[in-house]
Amino acid sequence: AQKVTQAQTEISVVEKEDVTLDCVYETRDTTYYLFWYKQPPSGELVFLIRRNSFDEQNEISGRYSWNFQKSTSSFNFTITASQVVDSAVYFCALRRHSGYSTLTFGKGTMLLVSP
Amino acid sequence: NAGVTQTPKFQVLKTGQSMTLQCAQDMNHNSMYWYRQDPGMGLRLIYYSASEGTTDKGEVPNGYNVSRLNKREFSLRLESAAPSQTSVYFCASTPDWTGELFFGEGSRLTVL
Repeated sequence: AQKVTQAQTEISVVEKEDVTLDCVYETRDTTYYLFWYKQPPSGELVFLIRRNSFDEQNEISGRYSWNFQKSTSSFNFTITASQVVDSAVYFCALRRHSGYSTLTFGKGTMLLVSP
Repeated sequence: NAGVTQTPKFQVLKTGQSMTLQCAQDMNHNSMYWYRQDPGMGLRLIYYSASEGTTDKGEVPNGYNVSRLNKREFSLRLESAAPSQTSVYFCASTPDWTGELFFGEGSRLTVL
């Protein structure tokens, strides 16, 4: 069975602060995919990143960065210099690499960035 | 390019009524999914269709039925709505089982 835990239910920061959203996963598979999605107040779900478990290199995209550590089963997401537009619910998800499988989502972390 | 389109976007039902949520994608994706989102529960899979002609239960299938009408369309039916089915429903699709999901805008259903 697969499981994704996002222990932080809600995080509040002031604009320009850095913030890290934690994601810990459980799987018996040796290869898998990890994802992050963003859900802004408007409600749509926006894909942010997919990471193959083969690739443990950290990834940076503008103010966003992701730290994948297979040894601790974590795939944390950091927003640098947060902005009000980053306010959203963020979901981490896991999918098996081999065979057909569906996405298992964490319960999400609500990020509130105040001016 | 419309992506994934869900209808209706809002619906209010009385307990015991039936309704169908429609979903269509124009990306020629093989797999389609129905999720529900409830506060504090994240996204939970109701049913999915790995490919045209197949459907399978997800985590919370009770009270729902689905139909993969063709490659584009995947509908979700509530035969006898219950207040516990008040939720936001998302349809999603993916080209194959490795890719990210593309989501519709969601359908907010209230059962009184």
